[in-house]
Amino acid sequence: AQSVAQPEDQVNVAEGNPLTVKCTYSVSGNPYLFWYVQYPNRGLQFLLKYITGDNLVKGSYGFEAEFNKSQTSFHLKKPSALVSDSALYFCAVRDPPGTYKYIFGTGTRLKVLA
Amino acid sequence: DVKVTQSSRYLVKRTGEKVFLECVQDMDHENMFWYRQDPGLGLRLIYFSYDVKMKEKGDIPEGYSVSREKKERFSLILESASTNQTSMYLCASTPEVLHEQFFGPGTRLTVL
Repeated sequence: AQSVAQPEDQVNVAEGNPLTVKCTYSVSGNPYLFWYVQYPNRGLQFLLKYITGDNLVKGSYGFEAEFNKSQTSFHLKKPSALVSDSALYFCAVRDPPGTYKYIFGTGTRLKVLA
Repeated sequence: DVKVTQSSRYLVKRTGEKVFLECVQDMDHENMFWYRQDPGLGLRLIYFSYDVKMKEKGDIPEGYSVSREKKERFSLILESASTNQTSMYLCASTPEVLHEQFFGPGTRLTVL
């Protein structure tokens, strides 16, 4: 079965510093990968996705993610963190190919310190 | 903008009650989903529907049922609520398989 892992429950970073939120996946076939963000008491909002093409994907709010096939990773990055980026981040993969099912990671809480 | 709405933001019910959670999307999306979100477990799929009157079980369907009589509306039913169904419930929709999902604001259900 396909799966996605977010190895860190929480990531702390100082405002202005670069941030990385990690995601690794296990799939058979081509992965379709997504990042979502959840602010307190809100639903999830889409940030970016990788379907095919360029390994560096740019998304909303200055976020980007790098698809690395050899390391089976899809880490979320931002060059300069803002306090307002503090939220819960979810990585997701479509499972299995050809269906509408998505597998979500357990989430990583990002805390940006002023 | 796509809008996904859920009937309640907060709900408190008693053990054994029948509970209806409603979800409506306004973008004519084919596919709709119900998830529950629990700390440390992420989102887990309960049911999804790829067309009117069509549904498929997700990973944790036990104790739940769904109804999709109209394209825009997808209902989650707890036939007899139990305390272990206390959770955040999220509805989502998507137009097609490679597209991102659009989420509602969630319903926080407490079963006493």
